Amino acid sequence: DSGVTQTPKHLITATGQRVTLRCSPRSGDLSVYWYQQSLDQGLQFLIQYYNGEERAKGNILERFSAQQFPDLHSELNLSSLELGDSALYFCASSFGQGAFKTEAFFGQGTRLTVV
Amino acid sequence: AQKVTQAQTEISVVEKEDVTLDCVYETRDTTYYLFWYKQPPSGELVFLIRRNSFDEQNEISGRYSWNFQKSTSSFNFTITASQVVDSAVYFCALSEGSGANSKLTFGKGITLSVRP
Repeated sequence: DSGVTQTPKHLITATGQRVTLRCSPRSGDLSVYWYQQSLDQGLQFLIQYYNGEERAKGNILERFSAQQFPDLHSELNLSSLELGDSALYFCASSFGQGAFKTEAFFGQGTRLTVV
Repeated sequence: AQKVTQAQTEISVVEKEDVTLDCVYETRDTTYYLFWYKQPPSGELVFLIRRNSFDEQNEISGRYSWNFQKSTSSFNFTITASQVVDSAVYFCALSEGSGANSKLTFGKGITLSVRP
């Protein structure tokens, strides 16, 4: 158990809908990262938050947004969903601002299926 | 830009064989960090190792060992006496040292199948 908790584990929704994925980092970790794993793109970095502030952005679509709350949990919001958004979404956490400072521990992922 | 190449896509071995998973990386930074993660069929990403660019010592942890060679930009992973439970997808990843770029860049992964 990595200590990073993601909910829900599975999500099935229709095209055009909006979903929210939730991540609770390991106790004491201040950074939260979101990654998308799809068959064609592999594991892609989406966005990072550190202590409530956005720190780094990857190839995140404009239809996607995230935030980190004062209690350090994070939510990834996906809207106007398309079939191609079906993927495994991972959250990771680390103590420092950079993944290079400490190990980055990943949650079990949320498998999103858009039908 | 940073890049990680895992040229092997699928490897199949018989239990107790040794297997080496290759990882080649590209980066312009002199400070960087390399990682290996395991993704079993259940889907979670399991952290295996982190190595910084200044430490070229090879590391051994039980049946796992890692060979880091800066001269060839490689960070290879060897499983000795493989077991069926080692069957998984293995990812190599790179994080550059710049504080403004803290993401992990992953390779495409290597699917390892260990047959009884």
